[in-house]
Amino acid sequence: DIVLTQTPLPSPVTLGQPASISCRSSQSLVHRDGNTYLSWLQQRPGQPPRLLIYKTSKRFSGVPDRFSGSGAGTDFTLKISRVEAEDVGVYFCMQVTRFPGGFTFGQGTKLEIK
Amino acid sequence: EVQLVEFGGGLVQPGGSLRLSCAASGFTFSDYWMTWIRQAPGKGLERVATIIQDGRSEIYYVDSVKGRFTISRDNAKNSLFLQMNSLRAEDTAVFYCVRGAPGDCSSTSCSLMDVWGQGTTVTVSS
Repeated sequence: DIVLTQTPLPSPVTLGQPASISCRSSQSLVHRDGNTYLSWLQQRPGQPPRLLIYKTSKRFSGVPDRFSGSGAGTDFTLKISRVEAEDVGVYFCMQVTRFPGGFTFGQGTKLEIK
Repeated sequence: EVQLVEFGGGLVQPGGSLRLSCAASGFTFSDYWMTWIRQAPGKGLERVATIIQDGRSEIYYVDSVKGRFTISRDNAKNSLFLQMNSLRAEDTAVFYCVRGAPGDCSSTSCSLMDVWGQGTTVTVSS
């Protein structure tokens, strides 16, 4: 099984400053079709998760452009250019490259703001 | 508007059973793979079970629920189900249903995990 490992943020992050969350995969996430199916989800306190980024770098509809995704192969990053108060929550990376049999999430990274 | 509404959760004793349901609306349900995902209190996300569009030819489970949980769907009623038997304390979680597969994501849009309901809470305790 593919394991996704996320790095913790130096907590808390200063309002208006950038933040980066790393997600490392135990295997390459390049699909046989050439795409890399790595997504990022945001979960605000008390809310269900919300899709932010799909296929490594595609911003989902309605997601502010301060969020961006990058990476390739086994190393991926979610960047927030200027953290805002509403960004507080937990961020999960997720791979579906091995869908449907393999389908895994990172352990989550908590973003706190000061 | 695309919507997924989960229900059927509750408090159950260890060894008991529950049947979760997910009502889908706003899209052609029969076109999509469907998945149950759970989140234990204060923990991360875990795929529980995934079912193909026709409900028969491909079904997948996380190892910890194999033999105890059964995913199914009724395309005529736009509904997804999860029959949970022999429940354990470690099954305590919020359960979400989501739609989609990688092929539902293009360069400009994505219908994989794009919509989440509020979930339904399952508590296994004596």
